Amino acid sequence: SYELTQPLSVSVALGQTARITCGGNNIGSKNVHWYQQKPGQAPVLVIYRDTNRPSGIPERFSGSNSGNTATLTISRAQVGDEADYYCQVWDSSTVVFGGGTKLTVL
Amino acid sequence: EVQLVESGGALVKPGESLRLSCAASGFTFSTYSMNWVRQAPGKGLEWVSFITSSSRYLYFADSVKGRFIVSRDNARNSLYLQMNSLRVEDTAVYYCARAQGELELLNWGQGTLVTVSS
Repeated sequence: SYELTQPLSVSVALGQTARITCGGNNIGSKNVHWYQQKPGQAPVLVIYRDTNRPSGIPERFSGSNSGNTATLTISRAQVGDEADYYCQVWDSSTVVFGGGTKLTVL
Repeated sequence: EVQLVESGGALVKPGESLRLSCAASGFTFSTYSMNWVRQAPGKGLEWVSFITSSSRYLYFADSVKGRFIVSRDNARNSLYLQMNSLRVEDTAVYYCARAQGELELLNWGQGTLVTVSS
């Protein structure tokens, strides 16, 4: 089965750029989606199909995908961006999530 | 406004059954595929099941295959998850989620808690 690998945690200074990676075999050939989940809340889609932002998601959130790594980039990080982030793909008739990354804004 | 409202979560004993429901509103339910996703306490997201708009295709995670059944009633704008032979490891918050396009999960409910314990 397909596996997605994310770092357990990422830290970023307030106002700087955070990058969260999602590794998978030839993930660049797949559509990658990213979700933000704050404590006690349901996940929210922040990036879909590698690079697209749903309405209401700030332009500070962007995505890329190539080779074996997809990346979620959060520019000008804010305290409100502290959350768990999950990548997701569709593979062989299953939805696959990465293990999640906890983003801390220092 | 799109709304997904799960219900049916409860405390049950191992081996028992439970049926979850998800009431949808704010969109044409009959035209969208739907998913169940769960999250054990303190853990990450785990996909459970997928059902196409017409119920033609049903997919399940290996961890629930043969025990869980997904269904929908498009006339009632409702999604269901019948969970049989429940195990302690099925304890989680269960979310329903609307899928679109390349299976991105655009909308999620608030979740319903299922606790399996003796």
